[in-house]
Amino acid sequence: SQQGEEDPQALSIQEGENATMNCSYKTSINNLQWYRQNSGRGLVHLILIRSNEREKHSGRLRVTLDTSKKSSSLLITASRAADTASYFCATAPQGGSEKLVFGKGTKLTVNP
Amino acid sequence: NAGVTQTPKFQVLKTGQSMTLQCAQDMNHEYMSWYRQDPGMGLRLIHYSVGAGITDQGEVPNGYNVSRSTTEDFPLRLLSAAPSQTSVYFCASSYGGRGTEAFFGQGTRLTVV
Repeated sequence: SQQGEEDPQALSIQEGENATMNCSYKTSINNLQWYRQNSGRGLVHLILIRSNEREKHSGRLRVTLDTSKKSSSLLITASRAADTASYFCATAPQGGSEKLVFGKGTKLTVNP
Repeated sequence: NAGVTQTPKFQVLKTGQSMTLQCAQDMNHEYMSWYRQDPGMGLRLIHYSVGAGITDQGEVPNGYNVSRSTTEDFPLRLLSAAPSQTSVYFCASSYGGRGTEAFFGQGTRLTVV
């Protein structure tokens, strides 16, 4: 079953604007990761945040994690047309399994 | 450094046929996984491996077999293809399991008619 659920399912913005995507999950986690997928391509890792971290930055990306609300957000600042892609959160539920569970993704379109 | 290589990129099968999707990585990663991606469903885990000789089932394992005889290779076998297995298949590897970054192949688009 899906662990993470991204919101919104689709987002359309203008170049230069900020884009915010959210991920909610159901069970306690060890870490949460965000991936990007360009159309017809494989997924590319963006950032990993551990359960004891609250915020992480990487270039124009900012990820927050609220374990009490079981949610995370991905903020892309000053978006570019090249940011057009689908974005997925993936969670590592606590427990012995090595499974990484992906959500259904947010499709982001950045219009020039 | 090729990363994760999947072959073939596209495949059309008839119902009942069998085939093997190949996955190879050159990063000496212990952890490898197979996912399928269907519209509106995100990625679902089929099988995974934590090292040579060790495999385990994921969320949707029925109809698929895997083996891991070497660190580099993790083939996915469809035993008797069904139209429900029409999907895009992704192989991924990581050096430290789910606590570390996963590297994905470019995918195999499979159609079963």
